[in-house]
Amino acid sequence: EPEVTQTPSHQVTQMGQEVILRCVPISNHLYFYWYRQILGQKVEFLVSFYNNEISEKSEIFDDQFSVERPDGSNFTLKIRSTKLEDSAMYFCATNTGLGSSTNEKLFFGSGTQLSVL
Amino acid sequence: SQQGEEDPQALSIQEGENATMNCSYKTSINNLQWYRQNSGRGLVHLILIRSNEREKHSGRLRVTLDTSKKSSSLLITASRAADTASYFCATDTQGGSEKLVFGKGTKLTVNP
Repeated sequence: EPEVTQTPSHQVTQMGQEVILRCVPISNHLYFYWYRQILGQKVEFLVSFYNNEISEKSEIFDDQFSVERPDGSNFTLKIRSTKLEDSAMYFCATNTGLGSSTNEKLFFGSGTQLSVL
Repeated sequence: SQQGEEDPQALSIQEGENATMNCSYKTSINNLQWYRQNSGRGLVHLILIRSNEREKHSGRLRVTLDTSKKSSSLLITASRAADTASYFCATDTQGGSEKLVFGKGTKLTVNP
């Protein structure tokens, strides 16, 4: 079965540093998402991306966060100046968007565990 | 308000037993999905039930939805050790939002 690939699996960074998390979506998928899960907490929506632009973002997704699809294959999440509270597992998710709602049956990657020291 | 709250938070059963997990939500929905997460891995979609459906089956999974009570249940029959994982319900919200709202999940342990 095709899968969403995320790299790196683990990222350790110093507070204030920039990090880029990468995701390779499933090839025929059109909708891309980032979610995060702080240890012991719920999985939280960050942003959705369609047709090369953000379609929706949460209040968590402030000016420190950005997403792009630089080369038509990778989908990246950049955190410009990391904070301690950004430590979490970050999941990329994609789908075809062909269901009745665009958020049906998301395919998740295995995540990037970000640790901000 | 919290959307998608599962209970119990943890469930431990013996192989062969059935496991039932519940989810409650607060706002109107178009659909409700259940996902499984093995330790340290991403979430895997299990089943989706629409707001106009009351029950759905997929293999050993049975999902019910009661929109009047704003609740859903996931039943795994004849559980196996490989079913050990965390199970999350996820709801959308009416109004065209693309985000899914996840609960904290139920951690299921199936003992061999």
